[in-house]
Amino acid sequence: ETGVTQTPRHLVMGMTNKKSLKCEQHLGHNAMYWYKQSAKKPLELMFVYNFKEQTENNSVPSRFSPECPNSSHLFLHLHTLQPEDSALYLCASSQDLGTGKEDTQYFGPGTRLTVL
Amino acid sequence: AQKITQTQPGMFVQEKEAVTLDCTYDTSDQSYGLFWYKQPSSGEMIFLIYQGSYDEQNATEGRYSLNFQKARKSANLVISASQLGDSAMYFCAMREGHGYSGAGSYQLTFGKGTKLSVIP
Repeated sequence: ETGVTQTPRHLVMGMTNKKSLKCEQHLGHNAMYWYKQSAKKPLELMFVYNFKEQTENNSVPSRFSPECPNSSHLFLHLHTLQPEDSALYLCASSQDLGTGKEDTQYFGPGTRLTVL
Repeated sequence: AQKITQTQPGMFVQEKEAVTLDCTYDTSDQSYGLFWYKQPSSGEMIFLIYQGSYDEQNATEGRYSLNFQKARKSANLVISASQLGDSAMYFCAMREGHGYSGAGSYQLTFGKGTKLSVIP
């Protein structure tokens, strides 16, 4: 496979469930990102990992727990979510060299999450 | 204040015509990057075009071009010869930072997007 893949593509869970979202990039990038896209709101950055180290955490509730075991894989562990957490969760990766176009973020297809 | 402003919630264009999607930005950095992404109904964000703040020429990628007016802080996307497959949400985004202070600190800030509908 090429590019950035995400599984599952769709997820329905109850508020007491525990689930995980998976992201994998095949681009040789060293930075990976989680974004949340809610209806009628701009894309919100949640977490950034660079060389497996978390470098950004934008005041995300602790019910979202990221994990980055290596530069190619990124997980988002979910537990005791709320209905307002229903959204499209997008993963992205980049070289993150900060040198311009080469630092473009490439996105996966997203996981559409519904919390009942 | 919003860092990225897209004032057109929705736009319509006739197939084969050109269309301009507006984007204005706000930053005090001298070095920054501007990106446009396309998001079809399937959800994936597809990178279209990049413009660096120091680039003297407007960026072009196939049918996409970026009308970069630095003094006005605008970075409008121009799509020429629209196709039905161009119907999607379009997002303008900015990355601030001078690129020398290390990796991991270059967040993308997105606008709210413009929904483009191409009419046959």
